[in-house]
Amino acid sequence: GENVEQHPSTLSVQEGDSAVIKCTYSDSASNYFPWYKQELGKGPQLIIDIRSNVGEKKDQRIAVTLNKTAKHFSLHITETQPEDSAVYFCASISKAAGNKLTFGGGTRVLVKP
Amino acid sequence: DAGVIQSPRHEVTEMGQEVTLRCKPISGHNSLFWYRQTMMRGLELLIYFNNNVPIDDSGMPEDRFSAKMPNASFSTLKIQPSEPRDSAVYFCASTSLVTLERGFPTDTQYFGPGTRLTVL
Repeated sequence: GENVEQHPSTLSVQEGDSAVIKCTYSDSASNYFPWYKQELGKGPQLIIDIRSNVGEKKDQRIAVTLNKTAKHFSLHITETQPEDSAVYFCASISKAAGNKLTFGGGTRVLVKP
Repeated sequence: DAGVIQSPRHEVTEMGQEVTLRCKPISGHNSLFWYRQTMMRGLELLIYFNNNVPIDDSGMPEDRFSAKMPNASFSTLKIQPSEPRDSAVYFCASTSLVTLERGFPTDTQYFGPGTRLTVL
């Protein structure tokens, strides 16, 4: 089955700096890659996603890139703010697996004011 | 829409007791997922339903765990008997199964707020 690895597990950045989280996946049939943000005491919430027919997608300060050949995708947060502090999860869906998400282990991001 | 609704939000029980967690998916969604989250194991998929039918329960850890979806607007996850190692946050998520058009999911999974279970 699919395996998703996520790095780093923790990330501390100064407010205003950029944060980058990287994920790799194992199933070459995976074709959809969402990113979730989980704040304390809440469920994960989708922040951005990318399909395998697209190499990059941007939404304001958040961008995601996908390299299908290398089977890795990354989340980029620019101009970080204290409210960006949370746990971020990458995930993938393989067509063969229906609509079942496989999650990475999560990255705890701390933005220091 | 109120989003995915879970109850209770917190549950504290003693080892050996039966625990029932409840979920109401987003109206119109026909795919429902139960996850468990712990520090050690992260987010684990326990079971999911499409159109009220269990599709994959390979993540259910033991026979002590069972899940039902009697109708499109309600699901339960039951643990009987509960054990301290079952302590975790349990999430329910739902999505629309208008999916895999041209090979891509057309909707993401929306998570509920979770139920924090503590088994003493």
